[in-house]
Amino acid sequence: DQQVKQNSPSLSVQEGRISILNCDYTNSMFDYFLWYKKYPAEGPTFLISISSIKDKNEDGRFTVFLNKSAKHLSLHIVPSQPGDSAVYFCAASVLQGGSEKLVFGKGTKLTVNP
Amino acid sequence: DVKVTQSSRYLVKRTGEKVFLECVQDMDHENMFWYRQDPGLGLRLIYFSYDVKMKEKGDIPEGYSVSREKKERFSLILESTSTNQTSMYLCASSFLALRYGANVLTFGAGSRLTVL
Repeated sequence: DQQVKQNSPSLSVQEGRISILNCDYTNSMFDYFLWYKKYPAEGPTFLISISSIKDKNEDGRFTVFLNKSAKHLSLHIVPSQPGDSAVYFCAASVLQGGSEKLVFGKGTKLTVNP
Repeated sequence: DVKVTQSSRYLVKRTGEKVFLECVQDMDHENMFWYRQDPGLGLRLIYFSYDVKMKEKGDIPEGYSVSREKKERFSLILESTSTNQTSMYLCASSFLALRYGANVLTFGAGSRLTVL
């Protein structure tokens, strides 16, 4: 049972335009959400996070929006740059048996064309 | 900056061989994790540890074991490899938990294992 879903395996946008990556989750106990970016042959790097008590968090060109009622979050990149081309993973955090656990989606490959 | 170092970047093994993947972090983090990444499947948690000599199963522990004898070191062991264990293995560490204002997971560069 996939608790964190990224339904678009790939996305292609033009440089300068907005990139919107989507993520849905099923477990209402998740209370922190994160986005990681991964380049080939490298480990994922943290991009941005949001607590479930907020609906928006912004960091430079990156903004994450959370809609708790819809169990949906999205990552907006404006403006998109070729260097943003990578696989983006959505992740959700939950306390389970006293320990924190991160559950990742399958990832969306973003390609930004010059 | 937190540094998570995985000892082997690329390995090629034959079915049935033993594999030992080592991960070292240099920031005194309590928590350490092993994930595997496969195309179309994302990152899946194999094992994690919240303290020395402590381990807990993740979502896909079958065929794997771990060892944490020292706080900075978390090893993943494949006793008898099979072809379906061909994957990218990622180690990560963190301090406490997000909900307590701590840092998020920091990943190593990964170990690409191919089992023939």
